[in-house]
Amino acid sequence: SQQGEEDPQALSIQEGENATMNCSYKTSINNLQWYRQNSGRGLVHLILIRSNEREKHSGRLRVTLDTSKKSSSLLITASRAADTASYFCATTGGSYIPTFGRGTSLIVHP
Amino acid sequence: DAGITQSPRYKITETGRQVTLMCHQTWSHSYMFWYRQDLGHGLRLIYYSAAADITDKGEVPDGYVVSRSKTENFPLTLESATRSQTSVYFCASSEWSSGTYNEQFFGPGTRLTVL
Repeated sequence: SQQGEEDPQALSIQEGENATMNCSYKTSINNLQWYRQNSGRGLVHLILIRSNEREKHSGRLRVTLDTSKKSSSLLITASRAADTASYFCATTGGSYIPTFGRGTSLIVHP
Repeated sequence: DAGITQSPRYKITETGRQVTLMCHQTWSHSYMFWYRQDLGHGLRLIYYSAAADITDKGEVPDGYVVSRSKTENFPLTLESATRSQTSVYFCASSEWSSGTYNEQFFGPGTRLTVL
């Protein structure tokens, strides 16, 4: 069963705008990861945030983690058409096996 | 080439046939995973392996068999394919450090259709 659930399921924005997607989970975690999947491709790792961290940055990506609310957010700033993809969160808890959500489909219009 | 590869990329088979999907990684990662991806379900873990000759079930293991005789290979076999096993299958590898899995590296996927 899915641990993380992404919200919204779909997001459509214009190039240059910021995109924010959220991930909620139910049980305590050791870390949370975000992945991107372009159409017809495998997943690509974006960023990992550990349970004792609150925020991480990587280029135009900003990830926050609020363990009290059991949620994380991924912010993509100044979106580009090339950011069009599905984005997945994966949580790792006591079993240490990553569990993926159903993903957020992002479309960035040029 | 370094990386993780899957073969075949596309496969059409018939109900009841045995099918083997191959996965090969060149990093010597200890951990390897098989997922299936279906619309509305995201990625679901079928089996994983912590090392050669060590495998364990994931969320949806029924109807699948895995083996890992060598660190770099992790084949997935559908013993008697069913239509419900029509899906896109992804293999991934990862290493372990600091008490957790590092990032997973995914293969390009195998699109399997069972008629």
